[in-house]
Amino acid sequence: KAGVTQTPRYLIKTRGQQVTLSCSPISGHRSVSWYQQTPGQGLQFLFEYFSETQRNKGNFPGRFSGRQFSNSRSEMNVSTLELGDSALYLCASSLYFSSEETQYFGPGTRLLVL
Amino acid sequence: ILNVEQSPQSLHVQEGDSTNFTCSFPSSNFYALHWYRWETAKSPEALFVMTLNGDEKKKGRISATLNTKEGYSYLYIKGSQPEDSATYLCAFWAGTASKLTFGTGTRLQVTL
Repeated sequence: KAGVTQTPRYLIKTRGQQVTLSCSPISGHRSVSWYQQTPGQGLQFLFEYFSETQRNKGNFPGRFSGRQFSNSRSEMNVSTLELGDSALYLCASSLYFSSEETQYFGPGTRLLVL
Repeated sequence: ILNVEQSPQSLHVQEGDSTNFTCSFPSSNFYALHWYRWETAKSPEALFVMTLNGDEKKKGRISATLNTKEGYSYLYIKGSQPEDSATYLCAFWAGTASKLTFGTGTRLQVTL
């Protein structure tokens, strides 16, 4: 069974640009969640999608948005990039995103904003 | 804001040593506690999902205990090996939050 994949793996952007990251979950998983990791911080929850609907959102500005497609693939978009958006962005998939479910993580996309 | 704390921040042990780390979390509204291992340049990998007070899990040389009344979990590694070198993350699921809140991790380095 193929794991969670994320593209691209590395990205360099400049301030003010926008970026779109992609996540393909494990086949059959309907939930995709997104996390941001910056140095010294734990993984910060961005949002979670299930069956194309955002069910939960973390404490991030509106510049961070996402969507999920009918095949469960998800994209995350950051508009008007700031230097502080430089981070590793991870997505994770599971069947339903419940408390007792293991989350399966992708390898991440490392974003550098110059 | 939920606070999940892990200690120590980093640890350096010799091959064969046994070691343990702590994860502290709010003791109210507990639903689950997750442990992940994150090796450099790889994806975080699930170790355990713990749900009941007094729950204990074991996978090979790694085991974990849970105390939901006092809000902590211990992760033990018996006879550490160099391949155990990784960052170990815990994540708390509170019923009200419906999401995982991660600690900052314990970075373990095992040398020969």
